[in-house]
Amino acid sequence: EDKVVQSPLSLVVHEGDTVTLNCSYEVTNFRSLLWYKQEKKAPTFLFMLTSSGIEKKSGRLSSILDKKELFSILNITATQTGDSAIYLCAVAPNTGNQFYFGTGTSLTVIP
Amino acid sequence: NAGVMQNPRHLVRRRGQEARLRCSPMKGHSHVYWYRQLPEEGLKFMVYLQKENIIDESGMPKERFSAEFPKEGPSILRIQQVVRGDSAAYFCASSQRFFEKLFFGSGTQLSVL
Repeated sequence: EDKVVQSPLSLVVHEGDTVTLNCSYEVTNFRSLLWYKQEKKAPTFLFMLTSSGIEKKSGRLSSILDKKELFSILNITATQTGDSAIYLCAVAPNTGNQFYFGTGTSLTVIP
Repeated sequence: NAGVMQNPRHLVRRRGQEARLRCSPMKGHSHVYWYRQLPEEGLKFMVYLQKENIIDESGMPKERFSAEFPKEGPSILRIQQVVRGDSAAYFCASSQRFFEKLFFGSGTQLSVL
């Protein structure tokens, strides 16, 4: 069965720290991997990764994919309290119609 | 350009009643997905629809649950004879093309008393 595992489950850091969130997957015929940020309501899109080794960057957030080792990381530098959220990883296989989501990493940034 | 609109935000039903959840996708999006989220669990796929067609309902229980996406109007997720175990957040997402990034609505929190 296709599976997406995120670690750590939760993380508490101080403002200004750098964090690394992990997502490993076992998916038949990988198509793409997506990262989302979920605060109290709708998950909002962060990145979509399809190729190994190419870093995607948006401000203080960046992400990279390793298709050989079957994982992705999401980095957040100089964290702010507004980064507090659940970060979701989702993987799409080449077959089927669904994205498989991990259970998320809950990040809390304290002032 | 409005995002994905879901209503109601909160829905309370007694056991045995029907719940109807509505989702209007982003303008120009013809692919709609429904996901269910339980506390401390990931988003679980329920059903994938295109206009007037159910493409994949493999994640949806075969009894009591149904979904539609008519030619006109929002997509509807219907749960008949709700039970306590149906209490969850139900999210709708849409995309412009197949397997492109999903845009999510704010969800409907269903509580069954």
